[in-house]
Amino acid sequence: EAQVTQNPRYLITVTGKKLTVTCSQNMNHEYMSWYRQDPGLGLRQIYYSMNVEVTDKGDVPEGYKVSRKEKRNFPLILESPSPNQTSLYFCASSTTEKKQETQYFGPGTRLLVL
Amino acid sequence: GNSVTQMEGPVTLSEEAFLTINCTYTATGYPSLFWYVQYPGEGLQLLLKATKADDKGSNKGFEATYRKETTSFHLEKGSVQVSDSAVYFCALTRLGGYQKVTFGTGTKLQVIP
Repeated sequence: EAQVTQNPRYLITVTGKKLTVTCSQNMNHEYMSWYRQDPGLGLRQIYYSMNVEVTDKGDVPEGYKVSRKEKRNFPLILESPSPNQTSLYFCASSTTEKKQETQYFGPGTRLLVL
Repeated sequence: GNSVTQMEGPVTLSEEAFLTINCTYTATGYPSLFWYVQYPGEGLQLLLKATKADDKGSNKGFEATYRKETTSFHLEKGSVQVSDSAVYFCALTRLGGYQKVTFGTGTKLQVIP
């Protein structure tokens, strides 16, 4: 089954404790992206990756890091989490073929930073 | 820059009522337009899309027409069901420019029996 998986689905942590949220897709997609969803703000793009070793900032990259060492994986790293990073996070992937920009989303990771 | 404006929610309708969720956009060039749906506790999934002016996207009884002259992509359904209760997001991306996808803030729809 074609899917995007994220782990963990729920996470409670404390300020300053480094964490990683994993994202994996099995569709051989070149493009992957991370979003955060906050009430009243919709989805905002954090980082995206066009292919292995190619990443770039989205609209809200501060406080986050990403890496793309393999095509299927795109982990999101919070080096020193703060309470304002409490949010619902989604990973998404897409092919880069023309007119096929549909994004496939993971189930989400709900993060609480105390 | 690009932006998407959706009508405020929540929208509450009775079953079999007609649904319209408004979406207008601002973009340079010729964006592709999307409606995504998010059911409770799940990620977003594509509902429909249109890639050029006057295209009509449709799926599961939902429709939206790409109107370049009014920069709009309103979502409609003739008869909603309780199972349509979800949050609906309008989004845009330039053709081939999937790098920066812009989403609206989402409109929550609740359909009551």
